[in-house]
Amino acid sequence: GAVVSQHPSRVICKSGTSVKIECRSLDFQATTMFWYRQFPKQSLMLMATSNEGSKATYEQGVEKDKFLINHASLTLSTLTVTSAHPEDSSFYICSARKGGGEKLFFGSGTQLSVL
Amino acid sequence: DQQVKQNSPSLSVQEGRISILNCDYTNSMFDYFLWYKKYPAEGPTFLISISSIKDKNEDGRFTVFLNKSAKHLSLHIVPSQPGDSAVYFCAANNNNDMRFGAGTRLTVKP
Repeated sequence: GAVVSQHPSRVICKSGTSVKIECRSLDFQATTMFWYRQFPKQSLMLMATSNEGSKATYEQGVEKDKFLINHASLTLSTLTVTSAHPEDSSFYICSARKGGGEKLFFGSGTQLSVL
Repeated sequence: DQQVKQNSPSLSVQEGRISILNCDYTNSMFDYFLWYKKYPAEGPTFLISISSIKDKNEDGRFTVFLNKSAKHLSLHIVPSQPGDSAVYFCAANNNNDMRFGAGTRLTVKP
């Protein structure tokens, strides 16, 4: 299966700092990547669709200026949580589709804890 | 608006028995359905899928059933093994818009 790498796996930061999370497709090119957020015991909530070479598409209720997404190449998308606050603490997961397939391949996730 | 629902947050079964995980959806435009398995602090991994033109898909111990008229699908695991203990997410896809259920935590007891 396709491999999606996500780093870091865990980050602890102080309130007010910014955190960057990277998502890479290792063995395929991904024109589109997806960013999800998961709260404990809740579903994976789609935050935004990251499009290579263009602006990301954000879901309703997700602050664009808070969650900056950059998809600079066909294998890399980054999510930056700006001026993080404790309520931003969550598990963030990226995913990508390989070719025109229906399946999503997920990164291993990033546990963000904001103190 | 929760378009994909997994009403059972948890399920516990004995090793060797059948595990049945259920999922309901509301959007009749969904045309592809998937089940993902997730361990703590890891990303979900694909398990099995089914197209809306089928009503059953089987892969080893895993079988997914789709009832389009009821907008319901289920995942059967038989026989269940302790290693199957994880959170299972149901997902439904419509034109590359994929929505997930809240997940069901399966515990298989030895």
